[in-house]
Amino acid sequence: QQPVQSPQAVILREGEDAVINCSSSKALYSVHWYRQKHGEAPVFLMILLKGGEQKGHEKISASFNEKKQQSSLYLTASQLSYSGTYFCGTEPLTGGGNKLTFGTGTQLKVEL
Amino acid sequence: GAVVSQHPSRVICKSGTSVKIECRSLDFQATTMFWYRQFPKQSLMLMATSNEGSKATYEQGVEKDKFLINHASLTLSTLTVTSAHPEDSSFYICSARPFEGSGGYTFGSGTRLTVV
Repeated sequence: QQPVQSPQAVILREGEDAVINCSSSKALYSVHWYRQKHGEAPVFLMILLKGGEQKGHEKISASFNEKKQQSSLYLTASQLSYSGTYFCGTEPLTGGGNKLTFGTGTQLKVEL
Repeated sequence: GAVVSQHPSRVICKSGTSVKIECRSLDFQATTMFWYRQFPKQSLMLMATSNEGSKATYEQGVEKDKFLINHASLTLSTLTVTSAHPEDSSFYICSARPFEGSGGYTFGSGTRLTVV
């Protein structure tokens, strides 16, 4: 099954913060986060490998709760360039064969 | 950084014809590549895993005879859409993982296929 993301869409004013959640029904080995602009390929943001791990990438960070099979992406002081569709990608703990399953996606629009 | 090159970026073909899409890893070797399909405003759905020197592994519901995958070298995988129909129109994207285990996936720029 595909990981479920929430919210489906969000509109922010520049400078505001947002949280995007990703929930899986399977035990996970890792969670990836990608951003895709319209008509382009997804771009890798970060990967989280360990339960409870939190990573940062400039003003974008993420956490991974291994027990709950959930991850959250935090966008702080949003910029216009943050607009796009965000996908989590998950690798299962067993039987995944190195395959990435993408979540349902969250459309983010940052306005002036 | 690791780059995956995908060609063509756009193709329009007539119904019933075949289309080949190429995916190359430019600065790393990829024993495994992945092919995804994305319909408008939807997520990326994995179609198949391309394995260098062996048969591809297809996801449930993907017709292996329709979507032919060849991974003849460590840097090249091809996807051929055979006997294309309008419902095959979609955005096809390949990906590879330059660093196994701990790194992210690098994606090609995608191919917009339109079947008329």
